[in-house]
Amino acid sequence: DVKVTQSSRYLVKRTGEKVFLECVQDMDHENMFWYRQDPGLGLRLIYFSYDVKMKEKGDIPEGYSVSREKKERFSLILESASTNQTSMYLCASRSLTGAQETQYFGPGTRLLVL
Amino acid sequence: AQTVTQSQPEMSVQEAETVTLSCTYDTSENNYYLFWYKQPPSRQMILVIRQEAYKQQNATENRFSVNFQKAAKSFSLKISDSQLGDTAMYFCAFMKLFNNDMRFGAGTRLTVKP
Repeated sequence: DVKVTQSSRYLVKRTGEKVFLECVQDMDHENMFWYRQDPGLGLRLIYFSYDVKMKEKGDIPEGYSVSREKKERFSLILESASTNQTSMYLCASRSLTGAQETQYFGPGTRLLVL
Repeated sequence: AQTVTQSQPEMSVQEAETVTLSCTYDTSENNYYLFWYKQPPSRQMILVIRQEAYKQQNATENRFSVNFQKAAKSFSLKISDSQLGDTAMYFCAFMKLFNNDMRFGAGTRLTVKP
């Protein structure tokens, strides 16, 4: 089974802090994604990466950056956290090959910015 | 851009009964994938069922089945013999073939009552 793990389930940070959210997958997937989940809005794509050191902006990249130095690890960075970034953050991965179009999700990180 | 609409924010059903969750989408593409994901309370999001648009036959997975109406751009999920463990948020999602962009609806919160 594919396993996608996220470094924290819950995180509390103060406004202005730099925040790192890490995601690791163990299935050698090329594609990795960061989503933000808010009530009534579903999941919105922040960034995705299709290879090491490659990244593409999603729908809401403002205030976020990402890093992918190794294939299995994809980090989301909030350079200066703000209260409007309080949300649930979901990481996902997906293979490019065959019929594996399904995305596999991590358990999520619930971030509270005070 | 593709949009996915789930018009039922919340639904409830009695245990052992059948419930249908609605999803409509908007696209000019002819080939694409559709998905239903389940997110139980405080647990990982998992794939319930997926449908390839080029297949006319509706997908089924045990108690879960879909009614895919391509012309109407409708993709509803039917859950038969509902169980307490079906209580979750359900997200409908759309993805073009060979594309990294998966679009999610706002979600439907389903409660199965004993």
